[in-house]
Amino acid sequence: DIQMTQSPSSLSASVGDRVIITCRASQSIGSSLNWYQQRPGKAPKLLIYAASTLQSGVPSRFSGSGSGTDFTLTIGSLQPEDFATYYCQQSFSTLMYTFGQGTKLEIK
Amino acid sequence: QLQLQESGPGLVKPSETLSLTCTVSGGSISTRGYFWGWIRQSPGKGLEWIGNIYHSGSTYYNPSLKSRVTISVDTSKKQFFLKVSSVNAADTAVYYCARSSSDHFYGMDVWGQGTTVTVSS
Repeated sequence: DIQMTQSPSSLSASVGDRVIITCRASQSIGSSLNWYQQRPGKAPKLLIYAASTLQSGVPSRFSGSGSGTDFTLTIGSLQPEDFATYYCQQSFSTLMYTFGQGTKLEIK
Repeated sequence: QLQLQESGPGLVKPSETLSLTCTVSGGSISTRGYFWGWIRQSPGKGLEWIGNIYHSGSTYYNPSLKSRVTISVDTSKKQFFLKVSSVNAADTAVYYCARSSSDHFYGMDVWGQGTTVTVSS
């Protein structure tokens, strides 16, 4: 099974800050990496797919990069609505998807 | 606009079978390139992928749950289903259905709102 490890598990930041969340795969997954945002009590929302492609309607302050085993999600200038939990997910193996454990982004 | 809606009992007794339905509206369940799946989230925990089904009926399961999980589809009703047998307290979770799209590198681009299932006697 492909394991996904996110860091940090939690992060405190202020409105306007730039934040970076990382995700590492236990084996190479090419660009088959997706990022989700989940606000409390809500379903996850796809932000970025194929490591760096912004989903339609997602603000351009979100960006993704990486390939192989190491990936990053960057939020360029935090807005109040960005405080949420973020998950990475590999879709390299369509037989077995796996999520990272999540990164909770909190207001400092 | 495609929408997904989960339905099913909110309370299941230990050792019984959990059964949920996901109804697809605003689009086809039989379109090539889409998988239909189930994901769950235990209270205060992260997301756990349960499994996927293709409209042809091909299924893919999380190995950790495979022995207890069955996912099926009824394309005529535009519904797919989840059954988890021999449930225990660890199966208490919010259960989501979602679509994975080949257009999105199999990212899950459409989600249901989720349904809470509690396992308790």
